Order: sequence, then structure tokens, then C-alpha cells
Amino acid sequence: EAQVTQNPRYLITVTGKKLTVTCSQNMNHEYMSWYRQDPGLGLRQIYYSMNVEVTDKGDVPEGYKVSRKEKRNFPLILESPSPNQTSLYFCASSSPGLGQLFEQYFGPGTRLTVT
Amino acid sequence: AQKITQTQPGMFVQEKEAVTLDCTYDTSDPSYGLFWYKQPSSGEMIFLIYQGSYDQQNATEGRYSLNFQKARKSANLVISASQLGDSAMYFCAMREGSQGSYIPTFGRGTSLIVHP
Repeated sequence: EAQVTQNPRYLITVTGKKLTVTCSQNMNHEYMSWYRQDPGLGLRQIYYSMNVEVTDKGDVPEGYKVSRKEKRNFPLILESPSPNQTSLYFCASSSPGLGQLFEQYFGPGTRLTVT
Repeated sequence: AQKITQTQPGMFVQEKEAVTLDCTYDTSDPSYGLFWYKQPSSGEMIFLIYQGSYDQQNATEGRYSLNFQKARKSANLVISASQLGDSAMYFCAMREGSQGSYIPTFGRGTSLIVHP
């Protein structure tokens, strides 16, 4: 089954404690992205990757790091989380191109609370 | 400037009636694709429908149709015969082709509530 998996699904942590949210896809997609969703703001892109070892900043990259060492994995790292990073996070993947076949596949989301 | 604008933060509709969710977009790229996603209260993102910039006909998928008006740069989602299970957040998104490297941009979403 084609899917994007994220772990953990829920996380409560304290300010300053480094954390990693993992993301993995089994569709051999080149593109992977991280989004955060906040009420009234929709989905905002944090970072994206067009292929292995190729990453770039999205709209809200401050406070986040990513890496793409393997095609299937795209972890999101918060080196020193702060309460304003409390949000719902989505990982997504797709192939490059236009058309219905190039829709983005989303992970189930990770709800992060930073106290 | 926002590339995707959804001007309706919230919409209400009576069960079995049709509803239109608005989406306007901004791009100079001649090649682009427009997507609609549904996000129920459980949180997952569900792909609904796609419209390509070169598609001659409006896309349809079951009860969902896309009212694509290219000159006005609008791509409104029409849900016919609303059901209680249609209550959710709906996001419009665009992927630009040659100029945009296919990186999608999302609108802020519209919350739809279907009343019995």
C-alpha cells in the first residue's frame, strides 16, 4: 500500500529539548515536504526536498532543520523547540509533474505541543 | 502576495443542497495544476479533485466538480447533494510547472459545516 508514515503521531515536550519527527514514503517519490498547520493560516511549507541531498527552505523554516540522506526518508529536526512551534505537522511526498497522478500524498500528521 | 486565496473562512450548508467553495489563484506560469483536499476532524488530508491549466473541461469526481474559470483565475469547488460527512476543512492548492518547480502552495482553507 502506497503511504507516507510519520512518527510520532503525538508529542508533548518541553522548551529546548531536541526532537526529531520521522517521515518515510514507500512510493519512490523524488519530492518530499514538511508543512505546519495552524488555525486560520492553512498549511505553510517549512522545508522541501527535490531529491537526495537536495533541500530548500519553504515559507517558515526558522527553528527547523531537515536532511535527505535517503530517498524514502525526510526527518524534521527541532534543535531547540519553543512554544510557538506547537502545531500540527504534515509530511508529504510526490513525483515532479503536473496532473492528477502527481498529487501529493500526505502523512497522517504529528501533533506537537511544546510547553 | 498570496498565490492561493480562499476568502471564505467558514461556510454552512443544509444537507442535500449544493455548496460552492471559492478559490482564486495567482500565477504567471502557463503550466499549473489545481488541487482540492479535504481534511475531516480526524486530521488526515484527502485528495478530492484535480484541474490542469490546459484541461478543456471542468474536472468532476462523483459529487465534486471544479468550476474552472481560467481568465478569472478561479477554481471553485462545487459539492452537490451535501452530506453530513462533508463537514470538514477544505484546502485549495496549486502546483506551478515550468517556473515553480512543482512545489505546491496551499490556501488557508474553508471550514464547511453541513446541517441536517
